[in-house]
Amino acid sequence: SQQGEEDPQALSIQEGENATMNCSYKTSINNLQWYRQNSGRGLVHLILIRSNEREKHSGRLRVTLDTSKKSSSLLITASRAADTASYFCATDGRTDKLIFGTGTRLQVFP
Amino acid sequence: DTGVSQNPRHKITKRGQNVTFRCDPISEHNRLYWYRQTLGQGPEFLTYFQNEAQLEKSRLLSDRFSAERPKGSFSTLEIQRTEQGDSAMYLCASTPTESYEQFFGPGTRLTVL
Repeated sequence: SQQGEEDPQALSIQEGENATMNCSYKTSINNLQWYRQNSGRGLVHLILIRSNEREKHSGRLRVTLDTSKKSSSLLITASRAADTASYFCATDGRTDKLIFGTGTRLQVFP
Repeated sequence: DTGVSQNPRHKITKRGQNVTFRCDPISEHNRLYWYRQTLGQGPEFLTYFQNEAQLEKSRLLSDRFSAERPKGSFSTLEIQRTEQGDSAMYLCASTPTESYEQFFGPGTRLTVL
């Protein structure tokens, strides 16, 4: 079964706008990761945030983590048509495997 | 291309047949994972290997499923007596022991008729 849930399930925006997606999970974690999936490149790792971190940046990506609420958010700034994809959060549940959420489908219109 | 490779990319089979998928991880990645993904859902963990040892199996992995990683290099996932509910994308990922980031292959899409 899925560990977490992403919100919203689907998001449509114009190029240049920011996109925010949220993830909730159920158990304690060592770290939380975000992955992107599109038909062209499959699943690709975007960013990892450790349980003792609250915020992390990578290029146009900003991730926050609130372990007290068991939630994370991914912000994509100045979105591009190429950002169109499904985005998944994945937690480790303090194990060696990843448990993925249900995903947010992002559509960026030119 | 030195990424994770999976073969075949697509497999169509009739119910009751056996199928086998292969995954070649990134060279020197000790850990290898198998996931299953159905339409509109995130990947679900099936099993993983540390070198040649299979360390964990999900309850999703019924006795019709078996995975191997002989010699700690490539891995195979076999499904016996396939059922229509086995139709899904089967993903393989690998990672070095000291890393958490997983590198995914393109997947094998299985369709059971």
